[in-house]
Amino acid sequence: SQTIHQWPATLVQPVGSPLSLECTVEGTSNPNLYWYRQAAGRGLQLLFYSVGIGQISSEVPQNLSASRPQDRQFILSSKKLLLSDSGFYLCAWSAGPNTGELFFGEGSRLTVL
Amino acid sequence: AQKVTQAQTEISVVEKEDVTLDCVYETRDTTYYLFWYKQPPSGELVFLIRRNSFDEQNEISGRYSWNFQKSTSSFNFTITASQVVDSAVYFCALYNFNKFYFGSGTKLNVKP
Repeated sequence: SQTIHQWPATLVQPVGSPLSLECTVEGTSNPNLYWYRQAAGRGLQLLFYSVGIGQISSEVPQNLSASRPQDRQFILSSKKLLLSDSGFYLCAWSAGPNTGELFFGEGSRLTVL
Repeated sequence: AQKVTQAQTEISVVEKEDVTLDCVYETRDTTYYLFWYKQPPSGELVFLIRRNSFDEQNEISGRYSWNFQKSTSSFNFTITASQVVDSAVYFCALYNFNKFYFGSGTKLNVKP
């Protein structure tokens, strides 16, 4: 069966510090991968998605970046965090077009102080 | 442009009441999928249902039912005889061309 894991689960970082959130998927190959952010009390904002290794599409211009160094690994990064980067970050995967369903990781709560 | 609107920000009901969560979507494409997800206080999103754009048949699963109407671009979700465990944030989503677009969510409070 397929599983998705992301870490760390909780992170408290000072403004201006770097960020690295990791996500891995097991039990499937060539998944579509996604990073979403959920600000407190708000909906899900699509940040990045990837349909293959090295292929990253950005939905919202910001100081975050994403990389996909391996087929089932998706990394969200920042060189310098802003206060507004605080939120709940969710990694997700789907099996590609025509299947639809999105499977989410457990989420990573980031607090920037 | 793709867009999902959940106009109800928060709903409070008393246990055993029926409740309907509204979802209106916008898309120019003829092929797409619609979803509902539940986000309990723990934070992880739980898949509830998927519907493709060619299947307007309503669906019932236990206390849950979904009403998909292409004529009004709506995909509403009804919980019958609500329970405290139904308290959560519910998201409606639209999928096409590899991207999922989520509504802003409806927070449902079910009081005992």
